[in-house]
Amino acid sequence: QVQLQQWGAGLLKPSETLSLTCAVYGGSFSSYYWTWIRQPSGKGLEWIGEINHSGSTNYNPSLKSRVTISLDASKTQFSLNLSSVTAADTAVYYCARRGFVLVRGVRQYYYDYWGLGTLVTVSS
Amino acid sequence: QSVLTQPPSVSGAPGQRVIISCTGSSSNFGAGYSVHWYQQLPGTAPKVLIYGNTNRPSGVPDRFSGSKSDTSASLAITGLQAEDEADYYCQSYDSSLSGLWVFGGGTKLTVL
Repeated sequence: QVQLQQWGAGLLKPSETLSLTCAVYGGSFSSYYWTWIRQPSGKGLEWIGEINHSGSTNYNPSLKSRVTISLDASKTQFSLNLSSVTAADTAVYYCARRGFVLVRGVRQYYYDYWGLGTLVTVSS
Repeated sequence: QSVLTQPPSVSGAPGQRVIISCTGSSSNFGAGYSVHWYQQLPGTAPKVLIYGNTNRPSGVPDRFSGSKSDTSASLAITGLQAEDEADYYCQSYDSSLSGLWVFGGGTKLTVL
């Protein structure tokens, strides 16, 4: 069974850098993309970005200038750094695995395993 | 503004059937990308409910079903139960500049 365990600082001041880490237990680390998703209180889900085992990344264009996702494959962990945070970055941050299913022979991707979430609050 | 559009809320009485819609466009559903649905109970992480348009993970009751056609998708819940009260999100891939992986804005299901 795959489990994602995440941790990081929960209270930041404006202009600081948000740092979260997600450890993956079980399953194959090298066969998937590993993702960060956030959810402001009372609002919907926002895809932040992802990384695969070789370090290839994709980021949400709206956050790209401030986001860095990295990994430590030896520890099967991946991390999120979001710089210059403001109150608008206050949210629950989730790590997740991007799994896939074949639909008419084509891979279609979805999030099959999630971490429990980390509430990050940005306040002066 | 979400790339995928969902109604903010739906409601139904126990035992009834409800449908949650998810409207996309030519850059996601219309381009052949699948819809996936997630259920988020209060205070918990989202959980995949339907993947690949119509597939249910093991453990998800067959009261939940999904469909997709052209630029829209739907999640149907039959035999509504109190425990179904949650937020529901659709998700897909989008080939426009909005971001690769997109979610709907979410629909709050209230069981009356």
